[in-house]
Amino acid sequence: EADIYQTPRYLVIGTGKKITLECSQTMGHDKMYWYQQDPGMELHLIHYSYGVNSTEKGDLSSESTVSRIRTEHFPLTLESARPSHTSQYLCASSEGGTSGGRETQYFGPGTRLLVL
Amino acid sequence: TQLLEQSPQFLSIQEGENLTVYCNSSSVFSSLQWYRQEPGEGPVLLVTVVTGGEVKKLKRLTFQFGDARKDSSLHITAAQPGDTGLYLCAGAGAGGTSYGKLTFGQGTILTVHP
Repeated sequence: EADIYQTPRYLVIGTGKKITLECSQTMGHDKMYWYQQDPGMELHLIHYSYGVNSTEKGDLSSESTVSRIRTEHFPLTLESARPSHTSQYLCASSEGGTSGGRETQYFGPGTRLLVL
Repeated sequence: TQLLEQSPQFLSIQEGENLTVYCNSSSVFSSLQWYRQEPGEGPVLLVTVVTGGEVKKLKRLTFQFGDARKDSSLHITAAQPGDTGLYLCAGAGAGGTSYGKLTFGQGTILTVHP
């Protein structure tokens, strides 16, 4: 069973507010990822990290930012939320190493964000 | 950009029927993974295939990786209501800048009616 946690699970917030979505894993994984997913649709990678102090933008442009100060923690921040940010945000982690992407990605339960 | 085309997008069948979901690309992947996602949860890995032509079985689920490592299929035999969910294929690149990153297909929403 994966030990990766996301809070909050649901968030309804007004336009212009600053929000931080939390993601923590207790597996000691080096790699962590943030995906954006609309209901029943594919996942789009928006940020990833290969370790502490390493962050990269993903394939889908996002106005959010991330930080990786500790191995187990990978928070995502939106400085000014807009209705276009309404979506589900999924955090994942995987082991580092040389398996070339074959390692399993373990996903958290997601945060459903609604911006009014 | 490596794109994965998944089909069908929606599948509604009766309990006991068989089904196949396809995942196709013009790009070569070093490996391909299949995930299942239930409402309100994150995806959970079902299988990883890494060798061209590889076939893996997981109870009533059979996964196949194409010989050229550009496509994959998921076949479910005698589907049950518990198989209902979103099935996602995801390909891993051949290394370099795509190292460790996955490209996901659009997903197939499967509904199995009792």
